[in-house]
Amino acid sequence: GAVVSQHPSRVICKSGTSVKIECRSLDFQATTMFWYRQFPKKSLMLMATSNEGSKATYEQGVEKDKFLINHASLTLSTLTVTSAHPEDSSFYICSAPDIRGQGNPFFGPGTRLTVL
Amino acid sequence: QKEVEQDPGPLSVPEGAIVSLNCTYSNSAFQYFMWYRQYSRKGPELLMYTYSSGNKEDGRFTAQVDKSSKYISLFIRDSQPSDSATYLCAMMAGGYQKVTFGTGTKLQVIP
Repeated sequence: GAVVSQHPSRVICKSGTSVKIECRSLDFQATTMFWYRQFPKKSLMLMATSNEGSKATYEQGVEKDKFLINHASLTLSTLTVTSAHPEDSSFYICSAPDIRGQGNPFFGPGTRLTVL
Repeated sequence: QKEVEQDPGPLSVPEGAIVSLNCTYSNSAFQYFMWYRQYSRKGPELLMYTYSSGNKEDGRFTAQVDKSSKYISLFIRDSQPSDSATYLCAMMAGGYQKVTFGTGTKLQVIP
């Protein structure tokens, strides 16, 4: 199957700082990527859809100024958590549909963010 | 009402048992149905992917979709301790579109 990577896998930061998370499709191009967050023992909640060459589409209730998304190329999308607070601590996961198939999404390994 | 309902479990079974996991959904637009396995602190891993109604088998895993009842199932035969994980059902209305997940069922296979 397709491979999606994320970096970093884990990050700890102080409250008020910004953190950038990268999502890469390693062996295929992805014009669309999705960003999810997952709280402990909860399911994945879609945050936003990242579109190469255009603005991201955010789900209701997600602050676009706090969670900045940039789809820089056909293989890279970044999520920046700005002015992070402890309540932003979560597991962030990206996914990318494999265009070689029927568009079923493959997920990255996730990034665990802890804000102190 | 949630778009996708899934019993969170936990579900404990002895090694070798047949495991049945299922989800119901309310959105008739869903056409693609997936099952993901997620180990603790890891990203979801795609297990099965089905389009529309029917059955699909892959090794010890069988996925069933009944669109008339809005009900999907995943069966695991000869369950192994390594199958212990959280299983998430997921659906989307079309390829390349956003995915709606169930809450996940935590499965424990006891040796």
